[in-house]
Amino acid sequence: DTGVSQDPRHKITKRGQNVTFRCDPISEHNRLYWYRQTLGQGPEFLTYFQNEAQLEKSRLLSDRFSAERPKGSFSTLEIQRTEQGDSAMYLCASSNWDRVKYEQYFGPGTRLTVT
Amino acid sequence: EDQVTQSPEALRLQEGESSSLNCSYTVSGLRGLFWYRQDPGKGPEFLFTLYSAGEEKEKERLKATLTKKESFLHITAPKPEDSATYLCAVRPGGGAQKLVFGQGTRLTINP
Repeated sequence: DTGVSQDPRHKITKRGQNVTFRCDPISEHNRLYWYRQTLGQGPEFLTYFQNEAQLEKSRLLSDRFSAERPKGSFSTLEIQRTEQGDSAMYLCASSNWDRVKYEQYFGPGTRLTVT
Repeated sequence: EDQVTQSPEALRLQEGESSSLNCSYTVSGLRGLFWYRQDPGKGPEFLFTLYSAGEEKEKERLKATLTKKESFLHITAPKPEDSATYLCAVRPGGGAQKLVFGQGTRLTINP
């Protein structure tokens, strides 16, 4: 039983560099979500995919952020021109469509540090 | 605006000392309330979903309850391995797919 996986687990980058994170959801799940979590806070929603379609984006997702899910399987989140304020844990979650149940299962996260 | 507030922010208990964590919410059309456990440096682990007032769910030493304005996570006779941050989240109505999280309660169980 494989859960949600994320790669890399840790990333240290210099301000102004671009970074890309990958998420592999649970295999039968068609919905995928990205969240960001800073220290001492709960996760904040960034964006949501159903299959390959990006259907919802938060105002937190500035123009420097882009997410894709090209074949409806794995997803990537890219941050361009990173800033120190981008330092956070980036979490991916997945779920399956169910009219009654709505449970999102999270991956281990990617910890980003911008120096 | 949809909002979730958890209290207390941190709680220290002795092993075996039962207590409750609170999650208050204001949301437009609740479509579910969720409890997660998060260990340091890891992603949240799903515990429970509650959908309607009066509903209760149990798992080992944990029991979650739901009213129209808040949810409680009761922990009975906790053990040190129950130490973690417990997160509460709501799914708003209106077709939203996101979860709105509270800031969490950091629970420490001393042996």
